[in-house]
Amino acid sequence: DQQVKQNSPSLSVQEGRISILNCDYTNSMFDYFLWYKKYPAEGPTFLISISSIKDKNEDGRFTVFLNKSAKHLSLHIVPSQPGDSAVYFCAASAVFSGGSNYKLTFGKGTLLTVNP
Amino acid sequence: NAGVTQTPKFRVLKTGQSMTLLCAQDMNHEYMYWYRQDPGMGLRLIHYSVGEGTTAKGEVPDGYNVSRLKKQNFLLGLESAAPSQTSVYFCASSVLAGGWNDKWGSGTDTQYFGPGTRLTVL
Repeated sequence: DQQVKQNSPSLSVQEGRISILNCDYTNSMFDYFLWYKKYPAEGPTFLISISSIKDKNEDGRFTVFLNKSAKHLSLHIVPSQPGDSAVYFCAASAVFSGGSNYKLTFGKGTLLTVNP
Repeated sequence: NAGVTQTPKFRVLKTGQSMTLLCAQDMNHEYMYWYRQDPGMGLRLIHYSVGEGTTAKGEVPDGYNVSRLKKQNFLLGLESAAPSQTSVYFCASSVLAGGWNDKWGSGTDTQYFGPGTRLTVL
């Protein structure tokens, strides 16, 4: 049973527009969420995170929103740039819920393509 | 700082052969992890270690063994490779957070990944 779901395998947007990547989770023990970006032939790199005591976290062009009641989070990239083209993974952990502590559960990823 | 490095970058094995993948980190991280990434499957945790001399099973541990003899190194072994183990393997490491405030404020459980090892088993 997949606990972290990224239902869109791919997303294509125009440069300068907003990119919205979505992620849903089923495990109510998850209380810390992260987004990773991965370029081909490289390892994933950390992008932004949010804890369950917040509903929004912003870092430059990247904003993550968390809706705990809906068990849904989203990553907004504004404005989108061609260099943002990559696979984006959503990940979750149960840091303080007595769950898996430092283990991350990843979604399958969404391939974002930003067209010039 | 090299961060997390993995050796080798590519390897082709025949069914039944054995090999060891080496992961090294120079960030003094306590936690280390081995993942595999398969098309359409995301990253799945194979084994992890919460400190030198300790290891634990992850989501897909069968067919793999690990060792953490030194804090900076985490080895992944395949004793008898199978075609189902064809995959890209990623190692990661993370800091052991000091406490509640550290954990919430600094995101110290962020995992830092190596560049990956592409393994093909024929």
